[in-house]
Amino acid sequence: GQQLNQSPQSMFIQEGEDVSMNCTSSSIFNTWLWYKQDPGEGPVLLIALYKAGELTSNGRLTAQFGITRKDSFLNISASIPSDVGIYFCAGHNYGGSQGNLIFGKGTKLSVKP
Amino acid sequence: NAGVTQTPKFQVLKTGQSMTLQCAQDMNHEYMSWYRQDPGMGLRLIHYSVGAGITDQGEVPNGYNVSRSTTEDFPLRLLSAAPSQTSVYFCASSLGTGGYTFGSGTRLTVV
Repeated sequence: GQQLNQSPQSMFIQEGEDVSMNCTSSSIFNTWLWYKQDPGEGPVLLIALYKAGELTSNGRLTAQFGITRKDSFLNISASIPSDVGIYFCAGHNYGGSQGNLIFGKGTKLSVKP
Repeated sequence: NAGVTQTPKFQVLKTGQSMTLQCAQDMNHEYMSWYRQDPGMGLRLIHYSVGAGITDQGEVPNGYNVSRSTTEDFPLRLLSAAPSQTSVYFCASSLGTGGYTFGSGTRLTVV
């Protein structure tokens, strides 16, 4: 089946630093999504990307849909302590198996004040 | 507007017991899914539904049943619980264009 490779697995950074993480796939997707999960909670949608090449921002977060449709990245600028959590990428192809949202294994972010 | 509501939040089962994890959404979403989350494995799709009366298997369906009699509800049934089913279970719903809303999860331990 389809698999997403998300990297890095974990990051330890200083408050104020920028963060970059990415996801690659062996096959193409119509949609790329980025989620954040806080401890004890479900994932929360941060950014959704629907077109190859699309660059979308949500506050300090910026994500891009790769032009090959097989990759995506997420950048966080000027990190703050509340950015701590696990970030997941997810790929989706609507029109086929509509419920088939495939997740990466996550990037665990730790921020040192 | 409560979003996606999962019950119970915590459950301990003995091996061989059966139970149903409840999921309800009030956003009139057609698409609903069940995932399990295990350490280092990310979220894996168990079953999903594209509308009332329609369900299909995901990546890890064995040992689980689902039904979708209404748009709002999508229960997940464990037929005979096994220790390998110890996990955190998430229900999610969507209009179908990708942005899924997740519940807060059910933490299940099978002893």
